[in-house]
Amino acid sequence: GAVVSQHPSRVICKSGTSVKIECRSLDFQATTMFWYRQFPKKSLMLMATSNEGSKATYEQGVEKDKFLINHASLTLSTLTVTSAHPEDSSFYICSARDVGSTDTQYFGPGTRLTVL
Amino acid sequence: EDQVTQSPEALRLQEGESSSLNCSYTVSGLRGLFWYRQDPGKGPEFLFTLYSAGEEKEKERLKATLTKKESFLHITAPKPEDSATYLCAVQRNRDDKIIFGKGTRLHILP
Repeated sequence: GAVVSQHPSRVICKSGTSVKIECRSLDFQATTMFWYRQFPKKSLMLMATSNEGSKATYEQGVEKDKFLINHASLTLSTLTVTSAHPEDSSFYICSARDVGSTDTQYFGPGTRLTVL
Repeated sequence: EDQVTQSPEALRLQEGESSSLNCSYTVSGLRGLFWYRQDPGKGPEFLFTLYSAGEEKEKERLKATLTKKESFLHITAPKPEDSATYLCAVQRNRDDKIIFGKGTRLHILP
């Protein structure tokens, strides 16, 4: 089946530093990847849609300069949280759309970010 | 406004006690409806995609059905390992976005 990986799975950083999260589709090509944020016991909130080779499309209320997204290849997208603050602490999940077969989005295992 | 509502919010069942989870949706132009399973601290795991009313899909103890207004996830003779949050999501025709419901937390007691 379609597998999406994320790295790191957990990260703890100091306030003011930047953190990069990688999302890879391992066995399929994904022209579109998505980044979500999830708060405890809440559903997934779409942050941005990332298309290979072009600028990401951000949802309303999501700061483009704070959450930098790069989708440089058909199997890799990165999310960089710049100048992180404690309120950025959350569970970040990426997904990749397998356009080779269906429109189904396959999700990564998530990254737990804690900003001290 | 496009919306996905799941019920109940939480459900506790005894092992072997069959039940159904509901997902009601309002969307202008349904492209597809998805069911995912999410375990605590993990990303959602894909279960099913349904595209048109009347469609049904099965996987082990789970069966998903779709009508024009709602979808059901039927769980037959559940086991404790079926305990998880089940998420329903819809994809619209006009863009790539998926709209998620808040999920149903299912707990199967041994």
